[in-house]
Amino acid sequence: DAKTTQPPSMDCAEGRAANLPCNHSTISGNEYVYWYRQIHSQGPQYIIHGLKNNETNEMASLIITEDRKSSTLILPHATLRDTAVYYCIVRYLYNFNKFYFGSGTKLNVKP
Amino acid sequence: NAGVTQTPKFRVLKTGQSMTLLCAQDMNHEYMYWYRQDPGMGLRLIHYSVGEGTTAKGEVPDGYNVSRLKKQNFLLGLESAAPSQTSVYFCASSPPGPHSNQPQHFGDGTRLSIL
Repeated sequence: DAKTTQPPSMDCAEGRAANLPCNHSTISGNEYVYWYRQIHSQGPQYIIHGLKNNETNEMASLIITEDRKSSTLILPHATLRDTAVYYCIVRYLYNFNKFYFGSGTKLNVKP
Repeated sequence: NAGVTQTPKFRVLKTGQSMTLLCAQDMNHEYMYWYRQDPGMGLRLIHYSVGEGTTAKGEVPDGYNVSRLKKQNFLLGLESAAPSQTSVYFCASSPPGPHSNQPQHFGDGTRLSIL
């Protein structure tokens, strides 16, 4: 499975969009990009996932570059409750048992 | 809808003691997983199961055993606890299908300290 690189931390003002980048330059054609977050040692919470196309749900948007080597998670209007560690994970479609969590990005949403 | 429930939430053990962590899910998921998370690190897969009666090793299986006697339950056992097993343990489950791209759903964790 491809590895991911994320910045260790980011700040965002409350009410503004939070854009969290992820680099996955070695991603292959059958590997999906997943985003999870973990709020203060709670269990990881699923946010969104995608393969090629951009995706949007009630929580966030996922923008995947055309070459698929990087992606951005967008929280459109960050709130204080969005302060968490955000994990970008790349998983091969057929490797359901390989779900590697790296160190993630600590997003600090500030008033 | 409870989702994934882990018991206990906290536990302190002495070195050499044994215990079992219980994970229960009510979503009829075929696949279940046990992870551990050490301070400042991401999650690492210990064992997983693709269905009732089946288990397999993950990334860090040593010192742990698992059982999946019922579809909804996945047990993680420590036969002889060691201080290196002090960690937060998370259970997860995911929908059926060997090639599913569906996400895993996590419990809230069990915080285990071994003295």
